[in-house]
Amino acid sequence: RKEVEQDPGPFNVPEGATVAFNCTYSNSASQSFFWYRQDCRKEPKLLMSVYSSGNEDGRFTAQLNRASQYISLLIRDSKLSDSATYLCVVNMGFDYKLSFGAGTTVTVRA
Amino acid sequence: DTGVSQNPRHKITKRGQNVTFRCDPISEHNRLYWYRQTLGQGPEFLTYFQNEAQLEKSRLLSDRFSAERPKGSFSTLEIQRTEQGDSAMYLCASSLPPDRVGDIQYFGAGTRLSVL
Repeated sequence: RKEVEQDPGPFNVPEGATVAFNCTYSNSASQSFFWYRQDCRKEPKLLMSVYSSGNEDGRFTAQLNRASQYISLLIRDSKLSDSATYLCVVNMGFDYKLSFGAGTTVTVRA
Repeated sequence: DTGVSQNPRHKITKRGQNVTFRCDPISEHNRLYWYRQTLGQGPEFLTYFQNEAQLEKSRLLSDRFSAERPKGSFSTLEIQRTEQGDSAMYLCASSLPPDRVGDIQYFGAGTRLSVL
């Protein structure tokens, strides 16, 4: 079983729509959680950290459910520039290794 | 540019040749990581340095792979006797210690290796 699993999508949404997707992680001892964004053939870039209480950054909202071991990302009022692959990332916390999901592809159309 | 820098950006080589990649981390970051990413997959951890010490190597890192960080600054990743299965994007990341602003890793643009 992979450490982090994501729905690969693609999610094709019109501009202005809301899109949400989840990922699940297998190790209950995981401590840190992130969403990274990766554009085609570019490096991953941190979108946001995910905190237990849930957190929001502009149009992006992340939630963490430790009991069910899943993380979600919601994008409101989608922009064309939101088109990318979103990588769910988990860190055990006491070590250094990031475990990545395979990514969820989002395409926002005009 | 004060981000993570990787060179070369692209490398095409013939099977059996040796290749070396370089990574320059963000200057105050003492932790440096190498990952490998193939098409349609997320990055996979290869190895990790804290200063000049290599503290962990993934099972993905066969004996043909070696990484160094001689002075605790830049790092090199060498692949000997390349195979077609080595074709991938090799990503370098760096971070501060976790007790400072968390354990966020910042990635370089990567070196895309194609083995013919």
